[in-house]
Amino acid sequence: NAGVTQTPKFQVLKTGQSMTLQCAQDMNHEYMSWYRQDPGMGLRLIHYSVGAGITDQGEVPNGYNVSRSTTEDFPLRLLSAAPSQTSVYFCASSTAGTGASNQPQHFGDGTRLSIL
Amino acid sequence: SQQGEEDPQALSIQEGENATMNCSYKTSINNLQWYRQNSGRGLVHLILIRSNEREKHSGRLRVTLDTSKKSSSLLITASRAADTASYFCATALRRDSSYKLIFGSGTRLLVRP
Repeated sequence: NAGVTQTPKFQVLKTGQSMTLQCAQDMNHEYMSWYRQDPGMGLRLIHYSVGAGITDQGEVPNGYNVSRSTTEDFPLRLLSAAPSQTSVYFCASSTAGTGASNQPQHFGDGTRLSIL
Repeated sequence: SQQGEEDPQALSIQEGENATMNCSYKTSINNLQWYRQNSGRGLVHLILIRSNEREKHSGRLRVTLDTSKKSSSLLITASRAADTASYFCATALRRDSSYKLIFGSGTRLLVRP
C-alpha cells in the first residue's frame, strides 16, 4: 500500500515557467488537499477537494490551479512560477467518513521546489 | 494569520523528561489534531480530539482540549531521542458541506540523548 505519492521529489524552475506537481493516493480517499510549507510559517492550505469534480480554495490559492478528474489524482499546477513560490509542497488525503472534519490526514513526503 | 499557534516555537529537553507543547486557536472548531514531522518527511497523524472531549491518551501521548480557552496541549511523557521532530496542531473549520484543515506554525522538539 503506497499511501500518498508525490512526484517529483525535487524540482528547480526558472521564473515564468509552468509545471504540474503530481499527487496520487491509493486509499480511495474522498478528501485531498495541497499545502505549502515555508520556514517559520507552518503549513498553509492552497486548494482542496472533497471528491472528484469538486475543488475549492484554501488560504493561499493565487498562482495555483487544481483539478480532480479522478478520486486517485489531485495535481497542482503552477501557471507562471515566481520566486515567492519556492517552498516545500505537501499533498494530503483522508476519508470523508461520517464527517470529513473528523478524519486524520495522510501526507506524502513532499516536493521541494526552487524557483530561480 | 494562522488559526492555530503553537507554543513554544522550540523546545530542548533531556531524554526521559516530559515535553509539553501548547496550541491556541481563534474560532470554534469541530476537532483538533496533532501531527509530527520528522526532518525531510511528510506529517504523520498522532491524535485527534473532538470538541466535546477534554482529554485523550495514546501511548506516551496525552492531549487536552479546553474549548473555553480555545487551547490544547500535547504532553509526551518519558521522551526519547526518536521523539525529536516538529509537532503541529491543526484545527478543522467547517464551511458548508466541506472543511478546511488549518495548521499552526509548529513546535520544534529536540530530545538530547
